[in-house]
Amino acid sequence: EVQLVESGGGLVQPGGSLRLSCAASGFTFSSYEMNWVRQAPGKGLEWVSYISSSGSTIYYADSVKGRFTISRDNAKNSLYLQMNSLRAEDTAVYYCAREVDVWGSYDYWGQGTLVTVSS
Amino acid sequence: QSALTQPASVSGSPGQSITISCTGTSSDVGGYNYVSWYQQHPGKAPKLMIYEVSNRPSGVSNRFSGSKSGNTASLTISGLQAEDEADYYCSSYTSSSTLAVVFGGGTKLTVL
Repeated sequence: EVQLVESGGGLVQPGGSLRLSCAASGFTFSSYEMNWVRQAPGKGLEWVSYISSSGSTIYYADSVKGRFTISRDNAKNSLYLQMNSLRAEDTAVYYCAREVDVWGSYDYWGQGTLVTVSS
Repeated sequence: QSALTQPASVSGSPGQSITISCTGTSSDVGGYNYVSWYQQHPGKAPKLMIYEVSNRPSGVSNRFSGSKSGNTASLTISGLQAEDEADYYCSSYTSSSTLAVVFGGGTKLTVL
C-alpha cells in the first residue's frame, strides 16, 4: 500500500525556519517525481515545489523561491522541504504528493502537516 | 488571486448531472493537455479524479468525466450521489515563468 507521511510542522515565529519531511513507503520512491502542495486555512490548493526522481531538476513557485529548498534522499525514501524566512502567509497545511508522469497529476497525497507562522 | 477560474459553488439533486468549469489561458489550460481534477472532502487530502483532461485513474467512478474546449476545461459528474458533496479543484501545467503548476480556486459542490 502506498503511503506518504508528513512530519515536522508546528508553530514558528515570523522569520524562523522549519524542515518538513515526507516518509514514503509501498512503492519505488526513487522512480517518482515528487511535489509539495500547500493549503492555507479555508483556502484553495497552491503548488509549492517539484523535484525529479533523481533530484536533478527542481522548480519552485515564485512565492517561495529563495526561501524554501526541496530535496530528497532516495536511500531513505524521504522527501524534504526546508523552509526559511517564514512569513505569516506561509501558514498552511503542507502536503507531499506523488506525481504520475504527468505535470500536475498527483495520485497519492500524504495527510498533511500544519505549519503556523505567528508571533 | 488563483490562476485558473472556477465557480465558487455549484449544486444539484441526487441523480442529476452537474458540470464544473475551469478557465485559464493559452499558457496553461488551452496550451496543454495537462489538466487534472481533484476532489477534497473536509479535513482530508485531495484525491485525483481526472488527469490529462479526460483520463480516470483506476478506481474512480465512471460517473466522473473531463473535457476541454479552448481555454476552458470541464468536470462533469453524472448520477449525483450524496458522497460527491466536496470541494473540487482543477490544475494545469503552465508555461508561465513563475509557476509550473497552477490550481483553480476550488468549487464547492452541494448535493441538495
